Amino acid sequence: DVKVTQSSRYLVKRTGEKVFLECVQDMDHENMFWYRQDPGLGLRLIYFSYDVKMKEKGDIPEGYSVSREKKERFSLILESASTNQTSMYLCASSLLLRRNPNEKLFFGSGTQLSVL
Amino acid sequence: AQSVTQLGSHVSVSEGALVLLRCNYSSSVPPYLFWYVQYPNQGLQLLLKYTSAATLVKGINGFEAEFKKSETSFHLTKPSAHMSDAAEYFCAVTEGNTGFQKLVFGTGTRLLVSP
Repeated sequence: DVKVTQSSRYLVKRTGEKVFLECVQDMDHENMFWYRQDPGLGLRLIYFSYDVKMKEKGDIPEGYSVSREKKERFSLILESASTNQTSMYLCASSLLLRRNPNEKLFFGSGTQLSVL
Repeated sequence: AQSVTQLGSHVSVSEGALVLLRCNYSSSVPPYLFWYVQYPNQGLQLLLKYTSAATLVKGINGFEAEFKKSETSFHLTKPSAHMSDAAEYFCAVTEGNTGFQKLVFGTGTRLLVSP
């Protein structure tokens, strides 16, 4: 079975802490994504990466950075956590569309982050 | 810019009744359209997708959706609801052939199924 694994299901951090959310996929996918999910707002794209060391800003990148040193791992970094970053964070991966036009996103189970 | 609008944050149906979840999209280029489902404490799973082939798309668990360009809609239906269909459903759009699968999601519709 294909798998996207997020390192923590629940995380509680304090304001100002540096926070790392880790995501690993075992499908040799080129594309990886970080979304945040908030009630009434749906999923919003934070950052995505289409190759190792490559990254692109999504719709809400402010306050976040990412790292992709290896193809299978995509990390989301909150440099200085704030209470408005309390949210569910979802990682996803996919093959490049032109490699397989029927490809889809595979999602991890999410990390519920609470910043106090 | 692309966007999707899902009408109704909550939809309630009885078991056995028709399920209809509405999605309207906005895109300046021919879109790819998706429906994803999220069960409690899980990530999202793909239900079905439209990629400019047949306008009526069949997905998993008996769901289907019809692409109507004239109405810019991609509504999700199921003839007979089951208790296990209770979940949150997201419509999403992307520009066709971008290679990045950068999806724009709607705000979601929570489906409640009563006995």
